[in-house]
Amino acid sequence: RKEVEQDPGPFNVPEGATVAFNCTYSNSASQSFFWYRQDCRKEPKLLMSVYSSGNEDGRFTAQLNRASQYISLLIRDSKLSDSATYLCVVTNTDKLIFGTGTRLQVFP
Amino acid sequence: EPEVTQTPSHQVTQMGQEVILRCVPISNHLYFYWYRQILGQKVEFLVSFYNNEISEKSEIFDDQFSVERPDGSNFTLKIRSTKLEDSAMYFCASSEGVTPSLGNGYTFGSGTRLTVV
Repeated sequence: RKEVEQDPGPFNVPEGATVAFNCTYSNSASQSFFWYRQDCRKEPKLLMSVYSSGNEDGRFTAQLNRASQYISLLIRDSKLSDSATYLCVVTNTDKLIFGTGTRLQVFP
Repeated sequence: EPEVTQTPSHQVTQMGQEVILRCVPISNHLYFYWYRQILGQKVEFLVSFYNNEISEKSEIFDDQFSVERPDGSNFTLKIRSTKLEDSAMYFCASSEGVTPSLGNGYTFGSGTRLTVV
């Protein structure tokens, strides 16, 4: 079983749509959880941390369910600039463990 | 905003040759990392480095790989005898010493694209 699993997509959505990404992780000892964004051939950039209580940053909402080992990201009112690959990331010690990413394409 | 700088941005090398990828981490960061991403695949951890020694390494980081902090600013990844399958984007990262596990202290460089021919 992969350490971090994501639906690879692509998700093709119109501007203004709401889109949700899901992720599961296999190691129950994972300590911290994040969503990163990666543009084509660029480095990963932190989008937001994910907390058990759920957290929101503008149009982005992240949720963590430790019991189910499940992480989600909701993007509301999608913009063209949201087009990217969204990486689910968990930590084990001080290293980051990445999922393969879910590709989002927002069209006009 | 402080940056992690990587050079070169693209390197082409012949199979069997040695390559050194260079990184300048953020100056007050104490933890340093190398990750790689083969085209179309996920980002994979290679090695972490703290206090002038390797703190953790993955199965990928075999005897062909080594890391070094030769001075107070550079952090290098050496591949002794490159193979075709070493072709990938290599990302350097650094993080603040207190909470290396928190993503908000973790900064990636823009990467070096290594092509082995």
